[in-house]
This record gives sequence, C-alpha cells and structure tokens, in this order.
Amino acid sequence: DTGVSQDPRHKITKRGQNVTFRCDPISEHNRLYWYRQTLGQGPEFLTYFQNEAQLEKSRLLSDRFSAERPKGSFSTLEIQRTEQGDSAMYLCASSSIGTGANVLTFGAGSRLTVL
Amino acid sequence: GESVGLHLPTLSVQEGDNSIINCAYSNSASDYFIWYKQESGKGPQFIIDIRSNMDKRQGQRVTVLLNKTVKHLSLQIAATQPGDSAVYFCAERAGGATNKLIFGTGTLLAVQP
Repeated sequence: DTGVSQDPRHKITKRGQNVTFRCDPISEHNRLYWYRQTLGQGPEFLTYFQNEAQLEKSRLLSDRFSAERPKGSFSTLEIQRTEQGDSAMYLCASSSIGTGANVLTFGAGSRLTVL
Repeated sequence: GESVGLHLPTLSVQEGDNSIINCAYSNSASDYFIWYKQESGKGPQFIIDIRSNMDKRQGQRVTVLLNKTVKHLSLQIAATQPGDSAVYFCAERAGGATNKLIFGTGTLLAVQP
C-alpha cells in the first residue's frame, strides 16, 4: 500500500485523557499536513511539516495540541487533556516538493470521540 | 478573512445527466484551486486542480472553470454516475509563502438511478 496511512482509525476516550494519532505519509513525499474535519464541514488546516521542520501552525492548534515529525517520515499528533469539542476526524495528508506539490494526498483519517 | 463557500449544500441529479457544483471564494490573492471528492468514511480524494492563470481545465469527465472576476469556481461532471455520489469540496491556496489549502463547506452530490 503506497497511500497515506493513519492509526488508529477510531479512538474513543474520556474527557481529560491524552490521545495520540500517527500518520505515515507516502514515502517519497516530504511535506506532511494535519487537518481536522467535523461533521458536515470541510477540513480545517492545523499544521504542516516540510521534512522534520514544522513550518506553519493554525491558531486552531491550541497548546493542548502538539505535532511532531522527528525524522521527517511519520508524524504524530497528540492532544492532551481532551475536551468534547476535540471530537472530530483528524486527517493527515502528504505532498511532494516540485511538480504536484499543491496536490495533497489524504489518508482515511482518525476519528476521535471524546465522551 | 479568507473564506471559501459553496452555493448549494445538496445537489440531486439523475444518472447520465451533467452535474455542476459551484464554489465562491473571497481571497483575490489565491493562486491555486483544487476540487476534492469525499466518500463516506474516507479521506478527500483529488479530482482536478487549476492555477489562477487559467480559466478552464479538463480532465476525464470533469471540467473546472475559474472566473476570477467574480471569484467563482465550478466543477462540471459529465454523464454523472452513481459512483460520483459523494461530498465535493473546493479549496484554495492563499498564495505567497503558505502551502495550506483552505476548504469550503462542501456539496453533497446525490445521483439518482
């Protein structure tokens, strides 16, 4: 499978718990993006990496959220002290530099439900 | 601020008909636009894109039209098939140094057999 992989696909947690999502991008892609999507809405940008450098962060990414891409390959998105408002689909996407750089290839997402 | 929106939240068409999904954007500095299709339980899937220096681009059964004068984008799907049923999103890139895409709300396309 050469697509973008996300794990876990579903996560149910209690308010106040920490959760971590993992994304494995397409291997030759050096840009990686995190988006959040709530029901009936389009994806909202959270952050993006080029290799291991986090180059852009949205104001949506509060201090409870942290994203890393330590070796420029896979990435993790951690949410600390989850709140019910964090319930959403967390989408990861990747792209290359150069031709086609603007075309993001998305994973299937990690759905978070905070009880 | 920047925003991308859709005129019609739901579009119902008969199989075989042509579909037109519209999108308005507000940032005149946006230099790139893209359409995605999202089926239930899946991530968005690339359909077609267009740069701001173009006004039309065609793919297989799909055409994107860009009218910068009125900041309007449309996706035309020819001979719509049941497999085209999905939510369609337009997105824009704001231009400059950013690489993020800003997505609109989405239009649900329902193809009736």
